Order: sequence, then structure tokens, then C-alpha cells
Amino acid sequence: DAGVIQSPRHEVTEMGQEVTLRCKPISGHNSLFWYRQTMMRGLELLIYFNNNVPIDDSGMPEDRFSAKMPNASFSTLKIQPSEPRDSAVYFCASSISGGDKAQYFGPGTRLLVL
Amino acid sequence: KQEVTQIPAALSVPEGENLVLNCSFTDSAIYNLQWFRQDPGKGLTSLLLIQSSQREQTSGRLNASLDKSSGRSTLYIAASQPGDSATYLCAVRRNTGNQFYFGTGTSLTVIP
Repeated sequence: DAGVIQSPRHEVTEMGQEVTLRCKPISGHNSLFWYRQTMMRGLELLIYFNNNVPIDDSGMPEDRFSAKMPNASFSTLKIQPSEPRDSAVYFCASSISGGDKAQYFGPGTRLLVL
Repeated sequence: KQEVTQIPAALSVPEGENLVLNCSFTDSAIYNLQWFRQDPGKGLTSLLLIQSSQREQTSGRLNASLDKSSGRSTLYIAASQPGDSATYLCAVRRNTGNQFYFGTGTSLTVIP
């Protein structure tokens, strides 16, 4: 069974450019989470969706960040315009609201904004 | 707001030793607690999940315990191996909502 899939795995871009990160959750999971990890701040929750609906986006840094989940099998996190301080590893995770509710992480996207 | 703390931040032990990693949380109204492992440059791998009604879970050389009333969990690693070297994170899920709260992790180095 495939785990959480993220693309791209690595992204290098220049300041001011638009960046789109993609995530495919585990089939059947109805909760999806976007995290950002840096050495300074550790793992931060940016936003999470339940049944494709954004529930809590209080962790989204500012208006330059936006996330969508158009259907149960796909989500995007967009940064426009990107800034050097956005450089981090971005993780997507999914969970099922019933059962054990364990969270499963994707491999992450390593973003470098020059 | 739930706060999760992990002590120590870093730990170095010789191969073969048994060790304990600690995780504490401020709000005992949790649904479950999950331990993860993260290798450098990699994602998080789930190790053990303890439901709020459980006291412990075991998987191989790993044993996780939960004392919800005191807001503590421990991850016990028996007979440590160099391959256990990684960062270990704990995360708690609240009773309400789906949000997870992560600790800052313990970086473990097992010396051959």
C-alpha cells in the first residue's frame, strides 16, 4: 500500500517566484496536515483539512501561503511570492478520523529559496 | 494550548545499553500519543501509538508507556544498536479536533 506521496522532493527557486508543493494522502484517509520543519522552530503545523475542508489554518505564516484540497486524494501548498526565510522541509501527513487515528508522514519536500 | 516537551534534547550512549526517552505534555485531555523516528534528511516514521485508555505498547525492542494523569510518556529502547541513531519525536492528539502537537525531539546517537 502506497504511503503519503509528496512532490517535488527537492525544490530550488529564486526569491519572488511561486512555489507549489503537492501531496497525495493515503487512500481512505480523510484528514490531511501540512507541516514545516526548520532547525530553529522544529515541526510546525501550518494547516489541516478534514474531509477536504480546511479546519485550522492558524499556523499559516502569512497571506503568501495558501493551501487547497480539491478532492480526497490531492492537496497543494502554494507560496507566492517565495522568500528566503521560507526555506525549510515541508511535510504532508494524513490520518483517518476513525480507528486508531495514527498520523502517517510523507517524505517531505526540501525547499530552498535563494 | 497543549505544550509537549522532550528531555533530553540529545543523548549519546554506547551500543548495547538500554535507554529511556521522555515526553511530557501539559493537557491530559488527549486522544492518543504517537512516537516517531526521523533519520537525517528523511520524513517521520511512526514507531508506536498509544491510545489514551492504554498504559503501554510494545514493538520489538521498543516499549512506550503512557501516564495520562501525570502528562508523561516514555520510550524505552532495549539493547540499543547504532542503527537506532536518529531523532525521536512524540506527538499528542487532543480529544477534540484532529490536531497533533509535537515535541522538539531527542537526538539519539548510539556509539559502536
